[in-house]
Amino acid sequence: SQQGEEDPQALSIQEGENATMNCSYKTSINNLQWYRQNSGRGLVHLILIRSNEREKHSGRLRVTLDTSKKSSSLLITASRAADTASYFCAATGNQFYFGTGTSLTVIP
Amino acid sequence: EPEVTQTPSHQVTQMGQEVILRCVPISNHLYFYWYRQILGQKVEFLVSFYNNEISEKSEIFDDQFSVERPDGSNFTLKIRSTKLEDSAMYFCASHVETDQPQHFGDGTRLSIL
Repeated sequence: SQQGEEDPQALSIQEGENATMNCSYKTSINNLQWYRQNSGRGLVHLILIRSNEREKHSGRLRVTLDTSKKSSSLLITASRAADTASYFCAATGNQFYFGTGTSLTVIP
Repeated sequence: EPEVTQTPSHQVTQMGQEVILRCVPISNHLYFYWYRQILGQKVEFLVSFYNNEISEKSEIFDDQFSVERPDGSNFTLKIRSTKLEDSAMYFCASHVETDQPQHFGDGTRLSIL
């Protein structure tokens, strides 16, 4: 299985703080993607990092990928209340495996 | 910005009945997917579809499930004889190429009574 698994399962921080979420997967991948899901809605793509990349930035998001450890991290800097959502990593090979997600709460 | 649309937003069905969930992917996309998310759990891959045939399917996607793209725009998921455990959110997604992000619809909440 190429399933992604995130930790922590839940994270609660104050507005303005940074939030870090980690993801591990089990086999080789083509790329790893991070998605956000607001309650009751579909998933929104945040960022994609390819297997030959180590770090990628997009606005307040920073993603790292360590293929030797089969792990990735998502850092959200200067968090806002609107960042409150569930965040999923997705390991992409022949199929598309989502992790269990991290529920992030940003307290205003 | 174009988006993936799913109908209905909520479907309530008696156990044993057939249901068809509908999706209209983004028009220039070539790869289509169905996922399931049981309440409070992770998103699970069901099936991928390309060039009018299934390219990959998970162990969840058994003989009760089928997919179809009947008219070049709609992409449907049929569950032949629903079970209580089929209650979940079902998401459709599409993308242009396999190394590009997938675009998701807002899902259909399926409730089996």
